[in-house]
Amino acid sequence: DGGITQSPKYLFRKEGQNVTLSCEQNLNHDAMYWYRQDPGQGLRLIYYSQIVNDFQKGDIAEGYSVSREKKESFPLTVTSAQKNPTAFYLCASSIDRGHYGYTFGSGTRLTVV
Amino acid sequence: ELKVEQNPLFLSMQEGKNYTIYCNYSTTSDRLYWYRQDPGKSLESLFVLLSNGAVKQEGRLMASLDTKARLSTLHITAAVHDLSATYFCAVRGSNYKLTFGKGTLLTVNP
Repeated sequence: DGGITQSPKYLFRKEGQNVTLSCEQNLNHDAMYWYRQDPGQGLRLIYYSQIVNDFQKGDIAEGYSVSREKKESFPLTVTSAQKNPTAFYLCASSIDRGHYGYTFGSGTRLTVV
Repeated sequence: ELKVEQNPLFLSMQEGKNYTIYCNYSTTSDRLYWYRQDPGKSLESLFVLLSNGAVKQEGRLMASLDTKARLSTLHITAAVHDLSATYFCAVRGSNYKLTFGKGTLLTVNP
């Protein structure tokens, strides 16, 4: 079955630690996206990549980093510079510049402990 | 900058009643999307509206798009408990990115 796989489902981060969220898709989609969701805030774009080896900052990129070395993979690193990382993170992908919208992964819930 | 506003943000309905969720956006676009999210889950695509005047229906939900008014509506007919969820609209901007509204939390009560 084609789809997007995010792992882990739950992640706990200590203060000052970097953590990496995985996102893998087998849909052969060109573009991939990372969103952050907080209660009452909707979805906010962190980073996006429309082709391999290229990515762009979204609206709230500070404290995050990404890479796009393979078409299938778009990992997100939450660095210690992100002061309030507790949130639900959603990865998405699209074909044809999002003409038909995005396909979303199941999400990773990150909590700072 | 593209802005997307949904209203209401919270909607409590009785089963069997009808209601409409509104989605306004600030700049020209001819692509609008509706998603559903259950608590703690991912977003599921409901409708893709690709042109002015587009109308799509699935079960008790009907979505429409008026690009001249920059308005989309999601109409709920004879609500049932299973429709309880958060509904998001999203608009594709000139840079091909989707901008999402804040979502409408719908609760359908018996």
